[in-house]
Amino acid sequence: AQSVTQLGSHVSVSEGALVLLRCNYSSSVPPYLFWYVQYPNQGLQLLLKYTTGATLVKGINGFEAEFKKSETSFHLTKPSAHMSDAAEYFCAVNTQTGANNLFFGTGTRLTVIP
Amino acid sequence: DAGITQSPRHKVTETGTPVTLRCHQTENHRYMYWYRQDPGHGLRLIHYSYGVKDTDKGEVSDGYSVSRSKTEDFLLTLESATSSQTSVYFCAISPQGGETDTQYFGPGTRLTVL
Repeated sequence: AQSVTQLGSHVSVSEGALVLLRCNYSSSVPPYLFWYVQYPNQGLQLLLKYTTGATLVKGINGFEAEFKKSETSFHLTKPSAHMSDAAEYFCAVNTQTGANNLFFGTGTRLTVIP
Repeated sequence: DAGITQSPRHKVTETGTPVTLRCHQTENHRYMYWYRQDPGHGLRLIHYSYGVKDTDKGEVSDGYSVSRSKTEDFLLTLESATSSQTSVYFCAISPQGGETDTQYFGPGTRLTVL
């Protein structure tokens, strides 16, 4: 079975500071990993995904994430936070089951302090 | 943005009444999904469809049924709504349903069952 754990339901950073949102996964087979962002009163939007190949994945809006198999992690980072980054972020996992069934973490709400 | 609409966007109903939520897409994607979002749980899959009249259960399917008579429409029905079904419901679509496919989300429907 696959699952995702997001450490920290709320994270606050100052504008211009590093953003680090943590995601650890559990999977018995090689995973596919996703980060989605949800702005207030909107649906989810894909930030980036890891499937195969390069373990450092770049996404939209300056975000990136690194797949670390030894640590079973896929943490999301951004060097400099912007006010517009305030949102809820979800990590999700899928595996080679032949179906696109995503398992989501419980989410991390990011607050950016001016 | 992917062409996905959900209706209604907000609904308040009473326990025991039937409720149908509609998801409509203009992308001609094969796969469609219904999720519910609850605080502390992230998103959980209710049902999904892999073609017209082809559907399958997700993680939290009890109390829900779905139908897909046309490629563009996917209906979620609560036969007899309960307060535990108060939630925000999201529809999503993906082109082929592969494990690495991106899922595109609609704007959501907020359902309150009194």
